[in-house]
Amino acid sequence: GNSVTQMEGPVTLSEEAFLTINCTYTATGYPSLFWYVQYPGEGLQLLLKATKADDKGSNKGFEATYRKETTSFHLEKGSVQVSDSAVYFCALSRSGAGSYQLTFGKGTKLSVIP
Amino acid sequence: DGGITQSPKYLFRKEGQNVTLSCEQNLNHDAMYWYRQDPGQGLRLIYYSQIVNDFQKGDIAEGYSVSREKKESFPLTVTSAQKNPTAFYLCASSGTEYEQFFGPGTRLTVL
Repeated sequence: GNSVTQMEGPVTLSEEAFLTINCTYTATGYPSLFWYVQYPGEGLQLLLKATKADDKGSNKGFEATYRKETTSFHLEKGSVQVSDSAVYFCALSRSGAGSYQLTFGKGTKLSVIP
Repeated sequence: DGGITQSPKYLFRKEGQNVTLSCEQNLNHDAMYWYRQDPGQGLRLIYYSQIVNDFQKGDIAEGYSVSREKKESFPLTVTSAQKNPTAFYLCASSGTEYEQFFGPGTRLTVL
């Protein structure tokens, strides 16, 4: 079946450090891939997405590239800020069993300290 | 502004009670979803609906029920059959793209 595996947190970084959060997936077909962000006590917000192999999604300084050969979609940011502290979820859209369903990773909590 | 609203923000339930969580969207989306979030577990799909008057079970539907009488509304009832209902519940909707838009969530606590 479909699954998403994220690096376990929590991740603690100093402000302006480089961020990588690893995400790998298992899926049938050709899923779309997403990164969502959740701030404390809130719902999820879409951060970026990629719909086909080699696509790069980007938003607010975050980037992720859809790598079909390694089944990965790692999230990166060159210089994190305190305001980036949140939980980050990698997700894929399921194909076949219902086009609209998403499978989520367990989330990675990021804390950025001044 | 378009978006998804959930109410209440906090909900307390006594054991043996049914409670209903509200979800409303004004995005004109056809599809709506309910997820449960537990610490360290990510999000798990409870139910989803792709059109009015139709819905399907997700991965953890036992102990929950839904209805979809209007396009804008997708209420979730947590029944007394749900053995461990304390969690954060998130509602989402989607249009023609795979992207899902989420509401702010309801935190349910069983007393």
